[in-house]
Formats: sequence, C-alpha cells, structure tokens
Amino acid sequence: AQSVTQPDIHITVSEGASLELRCNYSYGATPYLFWYVQSPGQGLQLLLKYFSGDTLVQGIKGFEAEFKRSQSSFNLRKPSVHWSDAAEYFCAVVTNRDDKIIFGKGTRLHILP
Amino acid sequence: GAVVSQHPSWVICKSGTSVKIECRSLDFQATTMFWYRQFPKQSLMLMATSNEGSKATYEQGVEKDKFLINHASLTLSTLTVTSAHPEDSSFYICSARDMQRSSYEQYFGPGTRLTVT
Repeated sequence: AQSVTQPDIHITVSEGASLELRCNYSYGATPYLFWYVQSPGQGLQLLLKYFSGDTLVQGIKGFEAEFKRSQSSFNLRKPSVHWSDAAEYFCAVVTNRDDKIIFGKGTRLHILP
Repeated sequence: GAVVSQHPSWVICKSGTSVKIECRSLDFQATTMFWYRQFPKQSLMLMATSNEGSKATYEQGVEKDKFLINHASLTLSTLTVTSAHPEDSSFYICSARDMQRSSYEQYFGPGTRLTVT
C-alpha cells in the first residue's frame, strides 16, 4: 500500500536559518507529490507539487523541494526561514490508481526568534 | 483561481442534533470533492469521496448513515453530521478537483470547526 512518512514530528530552527523537512514515500511507480502548509485553525495551502520533469521544484514563499527517486524522497527546503513560516507541514502523494491523496502525519515547525 | 469555500467556518451544536457543512468551488467546476476529518495535532483522514450526481464513496470505518454527503451540483457538496455527539467534534475540511485542470491536484477549503456539546 502507498504510504508517506514524515520522520520528524517537530522541528525547531532559528529565524534566518536554513530548513529541511523530510518526506519519504512508498509507491511502485513515480507518484504525484505535494507539500502543503497549514496554519493553526486554517485549511491547507499548496506550497509546491511534482508531477514530472525537473526534479527540483520551486514553490511559493521561497520553498523548494527535490524529488529523489533512488531515495524515494521529496524533501522540502528553504534557505532562510521567517517567523511566519511557523506552521504544520504535510507531505502528500497521489497515486493514479484512485486519485486519493495520502498525507503524511505532518511536521510542526517552530521558529526561534 | 481555484478557490474553495466552506460554510460555516465554525459551529457549535447540542448533542443529538444534526449540522450541515457546505463546500463550494467558487471559480471552477468540480466533479469530485473530498471530505476529510482532522483531529487536533493530527493529519487529515479521508472520510469520503463525493461525485456529482452519484452516491459518495466512504472510507472504511466511516459511518455513511451518520455522515451524509450530497453532491448535487458541480460546485456544491454538503456534509451533514446526523445525531451529533461530542466525539464528532473535529475539524472538517473539504477539497475539490478542477475538472478542467490537472486531475490530481486538490484545492482545499478553509475548514469547519465543529463542537458538539
């Protein structure tokens, strides 16, 4: 069965520091991959997505992610975080079998001033 | 573009009553909408897939008689929580697929906070 693993439940970084959030997926073929961000009490906002092509994907708010097939990973990065980046981040995968989104458990990002 | 709204954004109801949550795609048509439930500090759990003009498909363990889903038009799906109990208190989020665009991307609503007293 398809699955998404986000190994870090919480991550704390200082404002201005770089960030990497990890995501691994389990699927036989190349999946469609997403990163979403959720602020408290809010819905989900799409940061970026990967369907095919260039494995380095640029998103909104200065985020990027790299698809590595050999590692079954799709890690999210940002070179310099801002206090407003504090939120919950979800990695997700869609397989073309049933078009359902499978979410990881999420990583809560805390920013130190 | 690709905006999804939900109404209400929050609702408090008494145990035993029913509450309806609306999900609308504002600037696109959605043949398929999805309903998720999210408990505090947890991920989203898919409850059901709603297809316009047909019955919803529920995930295993979701009571279809308790969570009634209607997708009467290409821009509106409703979730009715019947005979609500405190354990139904949760954050409910809907999403929609734009039938004219990528078939795999879902656009999410802002969510509805349901509190059952």
